[in-house]
Amino acid sequence: SQTIHQWPATLVQPVGSPLSLECTVEGTSNPNLYWYRQAAGRGLQLLFYSVGIGQISSEVPQNLSASRPQDRQFILSSKKLLLSDSGFYLCAWSPPSNYGYTFGSGTRLTVV
Amino acid sequence: SQQGEEDPQALSIQEGENATMNCSYKTSINNLQWYRQNSGRGLVHLILIRSNEREKHSGRLRVTLDTSKKSSSLLITASRAADTASYFCATETITGGGNKLTFGTGTQLKVEL
Repeated sequence: SQTIHQWPATLVQPVGSPLSLECTVEGTSNPNLYWYRQAAGRGLQLLFYSVGIGQISSEVPQNLSASRPQDRQFILSSKKLLLSDSGFYLCAWSPPSNYGYTFGSGTRLTVV
Repeated sequence: SQQGEEDPQALSIQEGENATMNCSYKTSINNLQWYRQNSGRGLVHLILIRSNEREKHSGRLRVTLDTSKKSSSLLITASRAADTASYFCATETITGGGNKLTFGTGTQLKVEL
């Protein structure tokens, strides 16, 4: 069966520090991969999505970036965190179209 | 950006009652999906309805889709306290960069004993 792993569960980082969140998928090949952010009490905002290694589409231009160095690995990064980067970050994967998406358990990031 | 707007933003009902949530969206879609999120947790996929379908059932869930009105509804019948959660609609669209899923603002459902 397919599983998605996302870590860490919580993270407290100072303003101006770098960020690296990793997401990996097991049990499938060539998944579509996604990064979302959820502000407190709000809906999910799509940040990045990828259909293959090295192929990244950005939805929200900001100080975040994403990379897909391996087929089942998706990394969200920042060189310098801002207070506004605080939120709940969720990774997700999907097969080709018309299937539900599977979400990781999320990382709650607090920038202080 | 948010594709969908959900109505109501919050809903409180008694156990055993039915809960109806509505979702509107703006662009042409490949499919529409509903997700559930318990407080502070990840999202769980509930049901998917394709753009050429009008109604779909799964257990106590019933989803309708009206592409002419760009709207959908989720009905939860015979609600239980365990159904208390936030519910989100999401629309999948096909782009040059791949398929993407865009979420609505969500409905917070509270089912009281």
